[in-house]
Amino acid sequence: EAQVTQNPRYLITVTGKKLTVTCSQNMNHEYMSWYRQDPGLGLRQIYYSMNVEVTDKGDVPEGYKVSRKEKRNFPLILESPSPNQTSLYFCASSQRGPTTGGYTFGSGTRLTVV
Amino acid sequence: QKEVEQNSGPLSVPEGAIASLNCTYSDRGSQSFFWYRQYSGKSPELIMFIYSNGDKEDGRFTAQLNKASQYVSLLIRDSQPSDSATYLCAGVSNDYKLSFGAGTTVTVRA
Repeated sequence: EAQVTQNPRYLITVTGKKLTVTCSQNMNHEYMSWYRQDPGLGLRQIYYSMNVEVTDKGDVPEGYKVSRKEKRNFPLILESPSPNQTSLYFCASSQRGPTTGGYTFGSGTRLTVV
Repeated sequence: QKEVEQNSGPLSVPEGAIASLNCTYSDRGSQSFFWYRQYSGKSPELIMFIYSNGDKEDGRFTAQLNKASQYVSLLIRDSQPSDSATYLCAGVSNDYKLSFGAGTTVTVRA
């Protein structure tokens, strides 16, 4: 089944404790992206990647890192999480980029930083 | 100003009626537009995309694009309770970013 898999689905952590949210897609998509979703603000892009070893900042990159060492994986790293990073996170992928047909989204990761 | 703005809602319509959702965008260079549906607690799923001026129909859904007015809309005909969800409008700007509106929550009353 074609899908984007995120892990974990739920995560509660403490301020300052480094964490990684994994994202993997099995569709051989070139384009991958991370979004956070907050009430009233909608989906905001954190980082995106056009292809392996190519990443770029979205609208809200502060406090996040990403890497794209393999085509299928695009992990999101929070080096020192803070409570304002409590949010619902989505990973998404697209065959050649959002212009060509939109995204396939993962199931989401609900992160709480206390 | 947000790149993509949606009418805030929520929108409540009776079963069988037409639900009309509206979206405006600020980047005149935007070429592609998408409508996603998101059920509560779920991830967004793509339901329509439109690139050209005019209407595009897919079953009970019709997307409309007016580039001169920088306006995108989604009509849901014969609304069903299963259409109750949040609908997200998104547009791709010239810098290759997909920007989302905040979403409009639709409730279809049985």
